[in-house]
This record gives sequence, structure tokens and C-alpha cells, in this order.
Amino acid sequence: DIQMTQSPSSLSASVGDRLTITCRASQSIITYLNWYQQKPGEAPKLLIYDASSLQSGVPSRFSGSGSGTDFTLTISSLQPEDFATYYCQQSYSTPYSFGQGTKVEI
Amino acid sequence: QVQLVQSGVEVKKPGASVKVSCKASGYSFSSYGISWVRQAPGQGLEWMGWVSTYNHNRYYVQKFEGRLTMTTDTSTSTAYLELRSLRSDDTAVYFCARVFLIIIGGVLVPKWGAFDLWGQGTMVTVSS
Repeated sequence: DIQMTQSPSSLSASVGDRLTITCRASQSIITYLNWYQQKPGEAPKLLIYDASSLQSGVPSRFSGSGSGTDFTLTISSLQPEDFATYYCQQSYSTPYSFGQGTKVEI
Repeated sequence: QVQLVQSGVEVKKPGASVKVSCKASGYSFSSYGISWVRQAPGQGLEWMGWVSTYNHNRYYVQKFEGRLTMTTDTSTSTAYLELRSLRSDDTAVYFCARVFLIIIGGVLVPKWGAFDLWGQGTMVTVSS
């Protein structure tokens, strides 16, 4: 099974900050990497698929990059509504697995 | 409105079974697959498996084999998850999620591991 590791597990940031979250896979997943945002009490929301493709309706301040085993999610200018937990997930092979999450706090 | 609406809170005793429903509306249910993901209190996301809504093929994560059944009813646009022999560590919010379809060369292609529409979640508590 493929293990996904995110860093950091949590971080404090301010509105307007540029933010980068890292995700590492235990083996190459090419670009089969998705990013989700989850707010408390809500279901996750798909932000990025295939490592760098922005899901329809997601603001352009979100971007993804990477291939192989190392990936990043970047928020160019943090907005109040972006304070949430972010998960990476590999869709290269079953069982599809998630990272442990990165909680972005004020 | 395109949405997945799940059934309500469940409280079960250890050893019992639970069946969670996920009703789709606003889109062609039989064109997409459904995955199930669970989240224990304060924990991360755990993918449990998927079921095709058009040919009923399914995949279950090995740790759930023998206890888990995913089904679909295209006549009511509803997917079901049944988990048997419940244990306290099955306490979690259970989400259904639609498999993401993208258009490649004019053809809809499922991205089996990506989920673009989620239900609101069903809290299942297992406690004696």
C-alpha cells in the first residue's frame, strides 16, 4: 500500500500569507495526486486533481505542483475562508490513501 | 440541485450491523461510481472502497473484507454501505462521494480515485 505523508501537520498563518503544504508518497504515483479542503463539520471538497489541475469553481489562488513522490499545494494569498484542514490523496493505485492532513489556523 | 443526501445518525451496539444510504439527485446516477470514505472523531480520512453504478463492479479495502457490502439501486438513485460485526473503532462519520468524471477527447472518463461531490456524512456510533 502507498503511504502519504504531509508536512507540516499544522501551521499558523495570517490573511494574505503565501502558504505551501507538502505531500510525499512512499513510491512514485506519477501525477495521480488530489488535494481536498475540509472545514469543521463539513465534507471534504476537491480542490486539485492530477497534481496540478484546478477543479471547476476553485479560486485561482490555489495551485498544485509535483510529480513522482513529491507534491505541493500552494495558496498564493490566504483568505479568511481558507482556514481549514487540507488533505492530499493518491489515486495511482488501490487502496487509495490520504495524507494525515494539514490544519491551517490563524 | 446536484447533491448526495445521506441517511441520519446511527447508534449501534458492538456486533451489530449498520446500513447507510446515499441518495443522489440532479445528475445521471448510473454514469458515475460511488466511493465511501470514513473519518473517526478528530482523525483523518480513510477510503473504504468503491462501487460502479452501471456494472456493479466493486472494490473493498482489504481490512473491511467480509464485513462490508456496497450496493446501488439505480431505480432510486441510491447507494448503500452496510458494515457488519461493528466494533468501537468503527465509530466514525461515513461519507459517500461521487467518482469524478473528466472529458478526454469528447469521452467521459472516470477518475476512480478522485471525488468531486460528497454527501453530508452520517455519524455512526458503536457503543455498548
